[in-house]
Amino acid sequence: NAGVTQTPKFQVLKTGQSMTLQCAQDMNHNSMYWYRQDPGMGLRLIYYSASEGTTDKGEVPNGYNVSRLNKREFSLRLESAAPSQTSVYFCASSDPLGGASFYSNQPQHFGDGTRLSIL
Amino acid sequence: AQTVTQSQPEMSVQEAETVTLSCTYDTSESNYYLFWYKQPPSRQMILVIRQEAYKQQNATENRFSVNFQKAAKSFSLKISDSQLGDTAMYFCAFIESGGGADGLTFGKGTHLIIQP
Repeated sequence: NAGVTQTPKFQVLKTGQSMTLQCAQDMNHNSMYWYRQDPGMGLRLIYYSASEGTTDKGEVPNGYNVSRLNKREFSLRLESAAPSQTSVYFCASSDPLGGASFYSNQPQHFGDGTRLSIL
Repeated sequence: AQTVTQSQPEMSVQEAETVTLSCTYDTSESNYYLFWYKQPPSRQMILVIRQEAYKQQNATENRFSVNFQKAAKSFSLKISDSQLGDTAMYFCAFIESGGGADGLTFGKGTHLIIQP
């Protein structure tokens, strides 16, 4: 039971390089999310996708783009990486409130995170 | 927009003691959910306990319980008989009922250290 799978787990980039973080879930959830976690901070929402074909900005969307490729996959792209984007990135999925999985033991299922360093 | 505040960056207690982590939040909504998440060094996000705002009864899960004060917008976590494995970052989180697809709002976290 894979749950939410993020790739890669670690990445080092140079300033100005681009890359895409991949996320896939196998729980048939409608909603998917990208968060970033910085030292001394909780997770902050970058973008979310309430359902296949829709995406919306979260609290800290600047410098990022997302694609909800299908129901399973939700990718995060850094077009021109900056040192301020050094962080740990988490992908998550869930059913919205009212969905069966929301009332389970894990209302939001998180991936294991990607540690991204930008030099 | 809602905010979540955890005023204790770090706490340290002896094994078997009881510890309480504080969380306050600000929202204009009347229906919402509150959560405590545990993040061990492995970086996993593990749900510890949840509370529905419309329920007056405080949630409990084994050694973990909450003190939910809706009027005061307070949501503290009590860990009884603390164990070494409880050492982790603990995050308080909020989601409003009307915006379930909007993601969780997290506090900055409390680093809890259980000393042997």
